Amino acid sequence: AQKITQTQPGMFVQEKEAVTLDCTYDTSDQSYGLFWYKQPSSGEMIFLIYQGSYDEQNATEGRYSLNFQKARKSANLVISASQLGDSAMYFCAMREALSGSARQLTFGSGTQLTVLP
Amino acid sequence: NAGVTQTPKFQVLKTGQSMTLQCAQDMNHEYMSWYRQDPGMGLRLIHYSVGAGITDQGEVPNGYNVSRSTTEDFPLRLLSAAPSQTSVYFCASRAGSGTQYFGPGTRLLVL
Repeated sequence: AQKITQTQPGMFVQEKEAVTLDCTYDTSDQSYGLFWYKQPSSGEMIFLIYQGSYDEQNATEGRYSLNFQKARKSANLVISASQLGDSAMYFCAMREALSGSARQLTFGSGTQLTVLP
Repeated sequence: NAGVTQTPKFQVLKTGQSMTLQCAQDMNHEYMSWYRQDPGMGLRLIHYSVGAGITDQGEVPNGYNVSRSTTEDFPLRLLSAAPSQTSVYFCASRAGSGTQYFGPGTRLLVL
């Protein structure tokens, strides 16, 4: 089973509008962390936001917020007031507290966001 | 503070050749890891290290070797390159439970 599922291969949003990128995850661990990364066309991986499984409040970082619904095992990224520079691939990732390779990041397949002028 | 650096940025190999992708970090991070990124598949873990002298396999380790003789360096060796290893390779590091930082990537083409 996929540990991280991103069901939207591509998304379009009008400039200045808000957009939600979906992410669901699968884990039996009680302690885990969820991450979102941005990958522009230049290729680097840019950390955006982090949510811990025990965090009671949804994480926010500027125009980015994470809509964390633990019971549904979803961690959607919300980008408010989209800008042309937000056009990029977005990856959701999880790190579990289990030992071994699970303590490294597991990535979803990504969502390509295009912001339209 | 350069963060995570990778060399080379681009490399073309012929099938059967060997090479080493270099990765270094200057943040004194314990954890380092190598991922490969193929179109439509996100990033997949190749090998990782939880400290100098300690390495372990990730999801797709076959055809790759790693070693960690110092905290700073974590090279990835391709023993005998195959076209299936054409990919973009990312090195990453983090301290404990902190955020994972990625290097700029190495684009590898195996002919």
